[in-house]
Amino acid sequence: EAGVTQFPSHSVIEKGQTVTLRCDPISGHDNLYWYRRVMGKEIKFLLHFVKESKQDESGMPNNRFLAERTGGTYSTLKVQPAELEDSGVYFCASSQPSGRGDSTDTQYFGPGTRLTVL
Amino acid sequence: AQSVTQLGSHVSVSEGALVLLRCNYSSSVPPYLFWYVQYPNQGLQLLLKYTSAATLVKGINGFEAEFKKSETSFHLTKPSAHMSDAAEYFCAVSMYSSASKIIFGSGTRLSIRP
Repeated sequence: EAGVTQFPSHSVIEKGQTVTLRCDPISGHDNLYWYRRVMGKEIKFLLHFVKESKQDESGMPNNRFLAERTGGTYSTLKVQPAELEDSGVYFCASSQPSGRGDSTDTQYFGPGTRLTVL
Repeated sequence: AQSVTQLGSHVSVSEGALVLLRCNYSSSVPPYLFWYVQYPNQGLQLLLKYTSAATLVKGINGFEAEFKKSETSFHLTKPSAHMSDAAEYFCAVSMYSSASKIIFGSGTRLSIRP
């Protein structure tokens, strides 16, 4: 079974440009999450989709960030316009909750997209 | 509010020695606790998780962690370090369920000396 995949693996853009990150969750997983790690800091939650709906977007830093999950499959995270402080590694994760709190609730992470804003 | 504190951003041990990575949490409700590992150039991988069952949790690659409510700790241990254990380790907590958002500690980079 394929894991969570993210594209691109690296992106280098200039301040003011737009970048779109993509995440493909594990097939059949309804829950999809975005996290970010800015250099030297903790990994921080950005938002959580359940299917195509935003369940929790409390971690989105500002309105320059737009996340979508059309059709409840893959998700995109767009940063427009990018700023220097947006540099970091963006992780996506997916899970399929069973309601039993067992291993099927595990959030499986992708390899991340390293974003560098110059 | 929930939070996680990892003591020591960098830990170095000799091959074959005990590995002990410290984690303390704060949570207003019974937490779900996790340890994730990130090997070089790879994504985050779940090592183990505590979900209110047994307080001693065994994970992959010989790692285990013990939930101690009185100490609000969830330290990660491995009896004998291997060179392949060199990685960054993250302690994390979530509330309500393990499908909720995860709050991570700042990470501990583990180095293994030959």
